[in-house]
Amino acid sequence: QKEVEQNSGPLSVPEGAIASLNCTYSDRGSQSFFWYRQYSGKSPELIMFIYSNGDKEDGRFTAQLNKASQYVSLLIRDSQPSDSATYLCAVNVGDGGGADGLTFGKGTHLIIQP
Amino acid sequence: DTAVSQTPKYLVTQMGNDKSIKCEQNLGHDTMYWYKQDSKKFLKIMFSYNNKELIINETVPNRFSPKSPDKAHLNLHINSLELGDSAVYFCASSQYTTGPYEQYFGPGTRLTVT
Repeated sequence: QKEVEQNSGPLSVPEGAIASLNCTYSDRGSQSFFWYRQYSGKSPELIMFIYSNGDKEDGRFTAQLNKASQYVSLLIRDSQPSDSATYLCAVNVGDGGGADGLTFGKGTHLIIQP
Repeated sequence: DTAVSQTPKYLVTQMGNDKSIKCEQNLGHDTMYWYKQDSKKFLKIMFSYNNKELIINETVPNRFSPKSPDKAHLNLHINSLELGDSAVYFCASSQYTTGPYEQYFGPGTRLTVT
């Protein structure tokens, strides 16, 4: 059973601070890891993906992966009110083939306080 | 240009009816998916198609039948609709042949069964 766990929140962070979102997954065979952002009533929007241990930075976003601990995180620096959304962690399990579906966590609701 | 599009955006119908949702992508991807997001916002894979071939068929009632006329289109037909089918259905696409297989989502179809 593939499982992806996230704290549902809400996670409240002051504007300008660093927001830290965490995710754990159950299947050690997981190959690729994704962070999506979903605003209320909208579709999931891809923010970042990571598949190697360590950090990956893209603008204000940093994804961190630790396969030994089966842990992936997303850091958002200089948080803005527009970052307020639900953040979904997703895992592609299997042989890494592109036809595998993504297993999603239930999402963390992030609120950036002005 | 819309990368992944779905029609209709909203669908209200009565129990027992049959309905279809259409999806098209212009990203040149060869793999398409259907996801269901329930009232608790949990996003779950239903089907994946690679080059018109069914790859994944999760535990979905056989009232749901996907059809892929070509690799740019994936439609979802639902027979004998039930109250529990009410949800938001998202289409997504990705490229199978190159990793890490990030998926891009359509705007969603909100299905309400009364």
